[in-house]
Amino acid sequence: AQKITQTQPGMFVQEKEAVTLDCTYDTSDPSYGLFWYKQPSSGEMIFLIYQGSYDQQNATEGRYSLNFQKARKSANLVISASQLGDSAMYFCAMREGRGYSTLTFGKGTMLLVSP
Amino acid sequence: EAGVAQSPRYKIIEKRQSVAFWCNPISGHATLYWYQQILGQGPKLLIQFQNNGVVDDSQLPKDRFSAERLKGVDSTLKIQPAKLEDSAVYLCASSHDRSYEQYFGPGTRLTVT
Repeated sequence: AQKITQTQPGMFVQEKEAVTLDCTYDTSDPSYGLFWYKQPSSGEMIFLIYQGSYDQQNATEGRYSLNFQKARKSANLVISASQLGDSAMYFCAMREGRGYSTLTFGKGTMLLVSP
Repeated sequence: EAGVAQSPRYKIIEKRQSVAFWCNPISGHATLYWYQQILGQGPKLLIQFQNNGVVDDSQLPKDRFSAERLKGVDSTLKIQPAKLEDSAVYLCASSHDRSYEQYFGPGTRLTVT
């Protein structure tokens, strides 16, 4: 079974609107963390937001928030007030265990923001 | 602070040739990662170093791939001999001992013809 599933190959949104990118995960480890990274056409992976499995509140970073639903094993990224510069690939990733372990990435979602 | 540096940015080689990629992590970051990203997929970990020791190389094709991190700073990833399916972007990342966040370099785009 895939550990990280991103079911949306592509998403379209108009500038200034909000958009939700879906991510579901699969792990039996009670300690884990979920990440979202942005990859523009330049290729560099840019860290956006992190949610630990024991965190009580949903993570927020500026216009990014993570809708963490533990029982459903979902960690959706919400981008508020989309900007043209948000057009990029977005990857959900997970680490498992208590140590600083490696990341397993999903296949990504391409977001296109139109004027 | 300076980010993760990688070189070269692009490389085109013929199959069966060898190639090497270089990575300089962020200063003070003990952990270094090499990922392979095939077009249309997310990055896949090849190897993880903690200082100059290997933590995880379970997904490294050891018959053709090798990596080293001398003195716990810079790292080199080598492919010898290259195959067509090695065409991908090779990403280097580093992280501080006390942080889960990984900082990525710009990547090296390898094309094997």
